[in-house]
Amino acid sequence: GQSLEQPSEVTAVEGAIVQINCTYQTSGFYGLSWYQQHDGGAPTFLSYNALDGLEETGRFSSFLSRSDSYGYLLLQELQMKDSASYFCAVRDQDTGFQKLVFGTGTRLLVSP
Amino acid sequence: DAGITQSPRYKITETGRQVTLMCHQTWSHSYMFWYRQDLGHGLRLIYYSAAADITDKGEVPDGYVVSRSKTENFPLTLESATRSQTSVYFCASSGIQGANEQYFGPGTRLTVT
Repeated sequence: GQSLEQPSEVTAVEGAIVQINCTYQTSGFYGLSWYQQHDGGAPTFLSYNALDGLEETGRFSSFLSRSDSYGYLLLQELQMKDSASYFCAVRDQDTGFQKLVFGTGTRLLVSP
Repeated sequence: DAGITQSPRYKITETGRQVTLMCHQTWSHSYMFWYRQDLGHGLRLIYYSAAADITDKGEVPDGYVVSRSKTENFPLTLESATRSQTSVYFCASSGIQGANEQYFGPGTRLTVT
């Protein structure tokens, strides 16, 4: 089976940097994805890591260490609009190549 | 460019009724997915489809039926609605990038009374 762990809530102030961690247990790992969801909205794709290292997309970066079964999402220059829930998700051998399993999400609260 | 749409956006039904939630995408994506989202459980996969006429169960398929006769449509039917199926339902699709990069519809909020 598979399981993902991420903190339930993180708080930060505008302009700061915040890191949201995700640890996972899978068999036959195929990749780690991150999604953002604002209250009342739909999840939107942020990033995907299949290989170790850092992927940067504007203010957001995502990191993966397959040996540690660990990844994180890094949000820089935080803005109020970044207040949302962030989900990590994995594909693995147990779930099948085209299925994602999502973590329970991290609620990010950005204050002025 | 409509992308991916869901209907209805809100639905209230009674226990035991059959309900169908519609999902339509205009990208010709091969893969389509149905999720339910409940507090404390995140997003859980109900069913997915790799192409027209190819469907497979996800994590929580009991009580649901899907079909995919056309690439662009992926309806989800609750055969006999139960209160435990009260949830927000999201449809998603993905193309050649595979399941990692999915595009979600706006969701349907279903209440079963």
